[in-house]
Amino acid sequence: DTGVSQNPRHKITKRGQNVTFRCDPISEHNRLYWYRQTLGQGPEFLTYFQNEAQLEKSRLLSDRFSAERPKGSFSTLEIQRTEQGDSAMYLCASSSTGYTEAFFGQGTRLTVV
Amino acid sequence: AQKITQTQPGMFVQEKEAVTLDCTYDTSDPSYGLFWYKQPSSGEMIFLIYQGSYDQQNATEGRYSLNFQKARKSANLVISASQLGDSAMYFCAMRDGNQFYFGTGTSLTVIP
Repeated sequence: DTGVSQNPRHKITKRGQNVTFRCDPISEHNRLYWYRQTLGQGPEFLTYFQNEAQLEKSRLLSDRFSAERPKGSFSTLEIQRTEQGDSAMYLCASSSTGYTEAFFGQGTRLTVV
Repeated sequence: AQKITQTQPGMFVQEKEAVTLDCTYDTSDPSYGLFWYKQPSSGEMIFLIYQGSYDQQNATEGRYSLNFQKARKSANLVISASQLGDSAMYFCAMRDGNQFYFGTGTSLTVIP
């Protein structure tokens, strides 16, 4: 296991379409995070899983966004009815319990046209 | 309220010189973690250094050191002997509860 893996790396979609991203965390990490980053900004928190439980979700996250981590391993982030404002880099990170660092994947860059 | 503040949008440093990137944070929790990440133009976030709120000594990792001043709520990153490959965005982050909070970043350019 060499790190956090995200697929796809790039996604171009038409407005109104649904998209799904996948994140495979570091295998022994029980915590998984999704972040969104727009140009010139720092990553913005979207949601957090501990094992399979989604424990926290940003109030900024519209109901078009849903995330799952069915068996406490990989996670998916789905965006329904995409809008141009959803264009961003979507970052996944994982960490172990405690105040330890989170390791990030290379991100999925979404462009909505 | 902003949890992490980075006031330097851009910094320049001469190759082989040291540079300090500023970061202040805001939390009422006595237990927290502070982190610095590097983001090159490729987009990946690379972990650099970590400081726990109860750590007595400043963290160091190779050419990176974290100047932790708890009373002032600052966690500045010092990069010694800058290299051309250090040119990137640098983000300060705090782990408070279940979230990592990030600043807006500082763009560092190393001049040959």
